Amino acid sequence: QVQLQESGPGLVKPSETLSLTCTVSGGSINSFCLNWIRQPPGKGLEWIGYICYTGNTNYNPSLKSRVTTSVDTSKTRSSLKLRSVTAADTAVYYCAGWSDQKWAFDIWGQGTMVTASS
Amino acid sequence: EIVLTQSPGTLSLSPGERATLSCRASQSVSSNKLAWYQKKPGQAPRLLIYGASNRATDIPDRFSGSGSGTDFTLTITRLEPEDFAVYYCQHWDNSPPLAFGGGTKVEIK
Repeated sequence: QVQLQESGPGLVKPSETLSLTCTVSGGSINSFCLNWIRQPPGKGLEWIGYICYTGNTNYNPSLKSRVTTSVDTSKTRSSLKLRSVTAADTAVYYCAGWSDQKWAFDIWGQGTMVTASS
Repeated sequence: EIVLTQSPGTLSLSPGERATLSCRASQSVSSNKLAWYQKKPGQAPRLLIYGASNRATDIPDRFSGSGSGTDFTLTITRLEPEDFAVYYCQHWDNSPPLAFGGGTKVEIK
């Protein structure tokens, strides 16, 4: 069974780059597109973007200028980089696997809290 | 850009009662592309319903989804204590951004 796990620093200084990794176990990103989603404290879910095993990417227009995603050659780790962070980027960040069959996110990581603060 | 509006914002109900949650799209969407998730504090979202009306794996049959066009509904027939959570609808049509509704919180009355 495929599982996802986010990892990375819990604290990032304003204006710096947030970097997170999503590790896939029990499978690889060959079977789905890996999405990043966040939830600011007390707010709803916000889609950041995705990267597929083909290298195809798609990002939320509101974040596109600051976001980069990548997948390693083993197709078991994906990274998210968000540049020039502000306090508004403070959130729990999730990686999630998209199912083309269900047309929904059917695999989620547990999430990791990132705080943008000096 | 499709916007999903969920109502009510909060639903105060007792265990055993029926919950009816609404998700309205700003324009008509394909039923195949509407999903519902349950979100509890400190936990990842959990897929409940996909394709507007298909229950995901291991989801109890007290959860059901319906609707078409711009109006979709998630119904929980008899609320169990573990059902008190926030529920989100979601849509994706390959045109960014992928949309989530603002959520409906189902709380214990």
